[in-house]
Amino acid sequence: AQSVTQLGSHVSVSEGALVLLRCNYSSSVPPYLFWYVQYPNQGLQLLLKYTSAATLVKGINGFEAEFKKSETSFHLTKPSAHMSDAAEYFCAVSDLISWNQGGKLIFGQGTELSVKP
Amino acid sequence: EAQVTQNPRYLITVTGKKLTVTCSQNMNHEYMSWYRQDPGLGLRQIYYSMNVEVTDKGDVPEGYKVSRKEKRNFPLILESPSPNQTSLYFCASSLGRVDQPQHFGDGTRLSIL
Repeated sequence: AQSVTQLGSHVSVSEGALVLLRCNYSSSVPPYLFWYVQYPNQGLQLLLKYTSAATLVKGINGFEAEFKKSETSFHLTKPSAHMSDAAEYFCAVSDLISWNQGGKLIFGQGTELSVKP
Repeated sequence: EAQVTQNPRYLITVTGKKLTVTCSQNMNHEYMSWYRQDPGLGLRQIYYSMNVEVTDKGDVPEGYKVSRKEKRNFPLILESPSPNQTSLYFCASSLGRVDQPQHFGDGTRLSIL
């Protein structure tokens, strides 16, 4: 069955430091991968998506992620953290199996990012 | 502005009192879905709709109903709410292809006393 694992439910970085949020997925067919961000009292906003074109994907707010098939990973990075990046981040996978099971996204448990001044 | 709009954003109600959470999208999306988000359980799909008049159960449909009479609207109905339905609910929509991202509303926080 498809699954998504986000390593670390809480990550804390200093302002200006590298942000690295880890995501590993399990899928027996080619996956489509997404990162979403959730700010307090708001919905999930799409940061970026991998849909089988370039393996390095650039998103909004300076974030990027690299699809590594051999490692079944799709880690999210940002070179320099800003206070406004503090939020919860979700990795999600979709594939033809989950699409035929209702089109649902399979989400990880989320990683809460804190940014210290 | 392209968006998914949910109402109400917050609701406190009592067991057994029927309620409806509305969801509307202005992107002409074929696909719509409802999720609930609970601590430690992540987001779980309640119902989905591939197109107008086509709806089906997700992973946790018990106690919920939906309808899709128009393309833009996908209301979630709780006929007889119970405390275990206290949760944060999200409506989402997409173009209806496996490689397309879903666009989410801002959420509805329901408390059933």
